[in-house]
Amino acid sequence: DAKTTQPTSMDCAEGRAANLPCNHSTISGNEYVYWYRQIHSQGPQYIIHGLKNNETNEMASLIITEDRKSSTLILPHATLRDTAVYYCIVRPDSSGKLIFGQGTELSVKP
Amino acid sequence: GAVVSQHPSWVICKSGTSVKIECRSLDFQATTMFWYRQFPKQSLMLMATSNEGSKATYEQGVEKDKFLINHASLTLSTLTVTSAHPEDSSFYICSATPRQGVFFGSGTQLSVL
Repeated sequence: DAKTTQPTSMDCAEGRAANLPCNHSTISGNEYVYWYRQIHSQGPQYIIHGLKNNETNEMASLIITEDRKSSTLILPHATLRDTAVYYCIVRPDSSGKLIFGQGTELSVKP
Repeated sequence: GAVVSQHPSWVICKSGTSVKIECRSLDFQATTMFWYRQFPKQSLMLMATSNEGSKATYEQGVEKDKFLINHASLTLSTLTVTSAHPEDSSFYICSATPRQGVFFGSGTQLSVL
């Protein structure tokens, strides 16, 4: 699986947009970009995924660059409950095996 | 979304005893499940792939005799930590894949005294 690089930590003010970047320069053509988050002492929670096009759901938006070498997860209006570690993972859609990097620890502050 | 149930949520045991952790897919069948371990302030580390009806596939450096995996049905995989020692204390998490996506259990915090 392709490796991803994320900043170790980020802060965001409550109510503002949180933009979490991820580099995946060695991504293969059949690999999707997935985002999960983990709140302390819980299992990871699925957020969103995409292949080439930008995606949006009720939780977040995913912006993937045209060359697919990087992406950004956007939480449009961050709340205190969005404080978590966010993981960007690339994998073929057919595989359930996920290799986690270190992720970004997002702290949403009042 | 799909539900993966993990039990127990936490367990405390004495050194030398064995502990079994269950992972169930509640509303779908899973021929493959995955087990992860996570130490404090660290990321999830994949331990093994659990295959229904066949032997598990272990990642490099994971002792298969220490971490016994059984996947006897399409909805249940178990991880048994045998002869547990304090260094086995960790957060253990399972995952499973329905037709689309990967869903995780809520995790099991194991503390070995």
